[in-house]
Amino acid sequence: DAKTTQPPSMDCAEGRAANLPCNHSTISGNEYVYWYRQIHSQGPQYIIHGLKNNETNEMASLIITEDRKSSTLILPHATLRDTAVYYCTRSYGGQLTFGSGTQLTVLP
Amino acid sequence: GAVVSQHPSRVICKSGTSVKIECRSLDFQATTMFWYRQFPKKSLMLMATSNEGSKATYEQGVEKDKFLINHASLTLSTLTVTSAHPEDSSFYICSARDPSGSGETQYFGPGTRLLVL
Repeated sequence: DAKTTQPPSMDCAEGRAANLPCNHSTISGNEYVYWYRQIHSQGPQYIIHGLKNNETNEMASLIITEDRKSSTLILPHATLRDTAVYYCTRSYGGQLTFGSGTQLTVLP
Repeated sequence: GAVVSQHPSRVICKSGTSVKIECRSLDFQATTMFWYRQFPKKSLMLMATSNEGSKATYEQGVEKDKFLINHASLTLSTLTVTSAHPEDSSFYICSARDPSGSGETQYFGPGTRLLVL
């Protein structure tokens, strides 16, 4: 029972926006959507999270649909260092469950 | 973001020995920390939830007598792999939950790579 669904891989040209989708159709009203990324052989890095409203920080923007069943992480100007596995997760009571994530490859 | 450290970053040990991994939250107090393991090309799997001052909560299938967790202070949790065997070789990652702000974000340590010979 996958709690989130993401495409296994995506490519993006350097300097362009990377839009990573996530489906979380069974999300409950008090669960947050969290995004992390993991570069090979490192611990996951927090990117952004949100509940209902769209969010933006220095790393990315998070767009959550009105019904909260899906979201999109946007890296506005992807660089080669953004190549990583991106995980979309749900958090309730502080616990996270990681799916398979999306391998984003930024191409020169 | 908040900083979580892990020590050691990698360890090689002989089969049958015990290995202790430390996880520290450096700039916030964490009443709750989590321990994950990750096999090559796989996602993170939650092993246990570590609560300061109380017993850890283990996920189904994780042997509590093999993976001892101690959370003695608000900034330190330890995972001890007892009587390690080659099948315990893996990437172990901790996280600490920051209670401030919305959502109680988890911040992850850099991970510990364990190789049991």
